Amino acid sequence: EVRLVESGGGLVKPGGSLRLSCAASGFTFSSYTMNWVRQAPGKGLEWVSSISSSGSDIDYVDSVKGRFTISRDNAKSSLFLQMNGLSAEDTAVYYCARRAYCGADCYLYYYYYMDVWGKGTTVTVSS
Amino acid sequence: QSALTQPPSVSGTPGQRVTMSCSGSRPNIGNNAVNWYQQLPGTAPKLLIFAKHQRPSGVPERFSGSESGTSASLAISGLQSEDEAEYYCAAWDDSLNAYVFGTGTKVTVL
Repeated sequence: EVRLVESGGGLVKPGGSLRLSCAASGFTFSSYTMNWVRQAPGKGLEWVSSISSSGSDIDYVDSVKGRFTISRDNAKSSLFLQMNGLSAEDTAVYYCARRAYCGADCYLYYYYYMDVWGKGTTVTVSS
Repeated sequence: QSALTQPPSVSGTPGQRVTMSCSGSRPNIGNNAVNWYQQLPGTAPKLLIFAKHQRPSGVPERFSGSESGTSASLAISGLQSEDEAEYYCAAWDDSLNAYVFGTGTKVTVL
């Protein structure tokens, strides 16, 4: 069974840091681009970051650039999101999501969609 | 401010056909294929439609997607109570260099 399980969420004070993890199973993790998507309470979905299968290509939404760092460990089938300088605006459920297999065409963004999602981990930033 | 605009809500009675729109621009829908996600209450999003109109295995045929220019639509034919959910369109945006989601449409079955 293809599965993504997030962990590492919790309550953190403004300005603090948190590291999220996503454990993948049931597929060849090293072959897939991975993403983090978040959802603030009562709000819509917001893509946060993506990392290519090798880790060489990384993108971030403007609001987290310079504060968040995405990384992966293909040997351990794990995805990470290091979050620094957290503010109340970062309070959200954070989902780990797999980009559908793109093979050698991952540099093309025409067909970019997420076919597998985890259940999410909750991050609350509050004093 | 989201790059993709959707109506906040649509509603219908069981068996009815409902549609929802997704309005974008050239860098996103104009250049890249639209996808749709369904989020049932209290659950993670699920891929519903990809590459404009393709359905993943297991998605009922009553869900269909279409696209024209810089806009897209999702239709639900034969609306069922289990279709009550939030629906999001999404596509890569070449200008923002980011994946953008729509504002979301809540479907209510009356």
